[in-house]
Amino acid sequence: GAGVSQSPRYKVAKRGQDVALRCDPISGHVSLFWYQQALGQGPEFLTYFQNEAQLDKSGLPSDRFFAERPEGSVSTLKIQRTQQEDSAVYLCASSFSGLDEQYFGPGTRLTVT
Amino acid sequence: GQQLNQSPQSMFIQEGEDVSMNCTSSSIFNTWLWYKQDPGEGPVLLIALYKAGELTSNGRLTAQFGITRKDSFLNISASIPSDVGIYFCAGRGAAGNKLTFGGGTRVLVKP
Repeated sequence: GAGVSQSPRYKVAKRGQDVALRCDPISGHVSLFWYQQALGQGPEFLTYFQNEAQLDKSGLPSDRFFAERPEGSVSTLKIQRTQQEDSAVYLCASSFSGLDEQYFGPGTRLTVT
Repeated sequence: GQQLNQSPQSMFIQEGEDVSMNCTSSSIFNTWLWYKQDPGEGPVLLIALYKAGELTSNGRLTAQFGITRKDSFLNISASIPSDVGIYFCAGRGAAGNKLTFGGGTRVLVKP
């Protein structure tokens, strides 16, 4: 079956612009995660959903970051007033229950100029 | 910041060699996962470990969940060119479902 998909794959934003990144999880997966991966480093947790409920947003770096999953399927990560330090790859992962394996999408590479 | 120490940071392999990498933590984890990431792609799951002491194989890959629950290692036997990439360990603690990743081991081909 289809894996996790993310769009766009690449996004260039000017400093101060708002961006929206989309994630389509594997069908039937209850849990959805967002991670941020800086160049040359491992992914770092941002936020976690179980169905439409955002159960953990402890990793969001500032109140400029906002995530939603209104119908418990597709999720959107929104970054307001982008800054250069927001440049990174944003990875989405889904899992069937949250306690089992997480499967990752290809990521969205965000470059803020 | 990241809590997992992964070593080595990079290594060169020659086709046919066995390679080994490990991950240590100051915290206990209930699950250890190993992923491989190729340039421009997301991490791909290789092996998942759920019990302390568990030894699991997936083809030429073998991974173990340390008895103390604070470490894990990954072995690749008889390496081939497509083993080149970045390998990440990831742990999941008791407090939640999020994964904590190591800094990665970059596997490169010997010139």
